[in-house]
Amino acid sequence: AIQLTQSPSSLSASVGDRVTITCRASQGISSALAWYQQKPGKAPKLLIYDASSLESGVPSRFSGSGSGTDFTLTISSLQPEDFATYYCQQFNSYLWTFGQGTKVEIK
Amino acid sequence: EVQLVESGGGLVQPGGSLRLSCAASGFTVSSNYMSWVRQAPGKGLEWVSVIYSGGSTYYADSVKGRFTISRHNSKNTLYLQMNSLRAEDTAVYYCARALILSSHAFDIWGQGTMVTVSS
Repeated sequence: AIQLTQSPSSLSASVGDRVTITCRASQGISSALAWYQQKPGKAPKLLIYDASSLESGVPSRFSGSGSGTDFTLTISSLQPEDFATYYCQQFNSYLWTFGQGTKVEIK
Repeated sequence: EVQLVESGGGLVQPGGSLRLSCAASGFTVSSNYMSWVRQAPGKGLEWVSVIYSGGSTYYADSVKGRFTISRHNSKNTLYLQMNSLRAEDTAVYYCARALILSSHAFDIWGQGTMVTVSS
């Protein structure tokens, strides 16, 4: 099965900072990657699908890029409501896998 | 309103069984790819199972042979029958709808139902 490795596992940032999270796949997955935001006690929320497409209703400060094995989620200007855990997810051969998560904390 | 509402979680002894339900509104379960995803306490997300619109089903290796996904079309409801439960199955279980795109991203999620396997 394809493994996803996110980095960093956690980061501290301030409001207004530009934040970048990386997701690396153990083999090429074209653009079959999505990103989610999860806050404590809540279900995950879809942010980006197909590597770079912004889900409806998601603020434009979120963006995704990459293809093949290396992908990036960028938050252009971190807002107070963005402090959460972020997961990448891939689909291949009828199986889904998630990255281990990146926790974004307040500096 | 498009939403998913899970039910059926609870405390069960190791080796026991439980059936989770996920009632959908605002869209048709049988026309979509529907999945279960779980999250152990303090841990990350783990995909569990999917049922495609055509009826094909797939499972994570960790639950294969023990869990069964199904749907009731007239009730517009998704199910997860969980047998031979283990302590490591303790988690919040979410049902989710997968987009029929290359990433098969989950765009609609339920609120989750907690399953605790303990004696």
